Amino acid sequence: SQKIEQNSEALNIQEGKTATLTCNYTNYSPAYLQWYRQDPGRGPVFLLLIRENEKEKRKERLKVTFDTTLKQSLFHITASQPADSATYLCALDIPPYNQGGKLIFGQGTELSVKP
Amino acid sequence: DAGVTQSPTHLIKTRGQQVTLRCSPKSGHDTVSWYQQALGQGPQFIFQYYEEEERQRGNFPDRFSGHQFPNYSSELNVNALLLGDSALYLCASSLAPTLGGELFFGEGSRLTVL
Repeated sequence: SQKIEQNSEALNIQEGKTATLTCNYTNYSPAYLQWYRQDPGRGPVFLLLIRENEKEKRKERLKVTFDTTLKQSLFHITASQPADSATYLCALDIPPYNQGGKLIFGQGTELSVKP
Repeated sequence: DAGVTQSPTHLIKTRGQQVTLRCSPKSGHDTVSWYQQALGQGPQFIFQYYEEEERQRGNFPDRFSGHQFPNYSSELNVNALLLGDSALYLCASSLAPTLGGELFFGEGSRLTVL
């Protein structure tokens, strides 16, 4: 079955630096991959989606890459701010692909940005 | 425009009891998915409802059941509660089962089983 691994260790970085989070998956390549942000005690919030035929996607200070050969996605936050501190979740779709809403989530990576 | 709303926000039950959690999807959305999130873990897919029917189901026992109403709101029922059912239960809505659609999550219902 499909498995997802994200950085298990919390990531601590200095304000202004670029945070890079990793999402690795096994088995088949998904049709698309999503990234969510989750604050403590809150529901996840959608950030970005990248499709299998896209190598890179950007949104403001966020950038996602998708390498189906390596079975890996990287999530970058440039010019990080303390307000970026949260847990970031990677999620993949599961076949049948035309049934949106059924996702496998990684365990999340906790990011802490220090002033 | 109201987002996804869930109730109750917190509840405590004892083993063997039954619980019902409720969800109203984002305005205009017709598909509701339920997820269970244990502490320190990512959300796990329970099931999805569309057109008042369960369309997909994750690896959860029959103790977990649900319902979708004509107004697209949904309920999650868990019978014979176990200690391991303690978790944050998240409802997510989307617009029709489509490829790659983003999910809009509610704030969740925190269930504690004693």
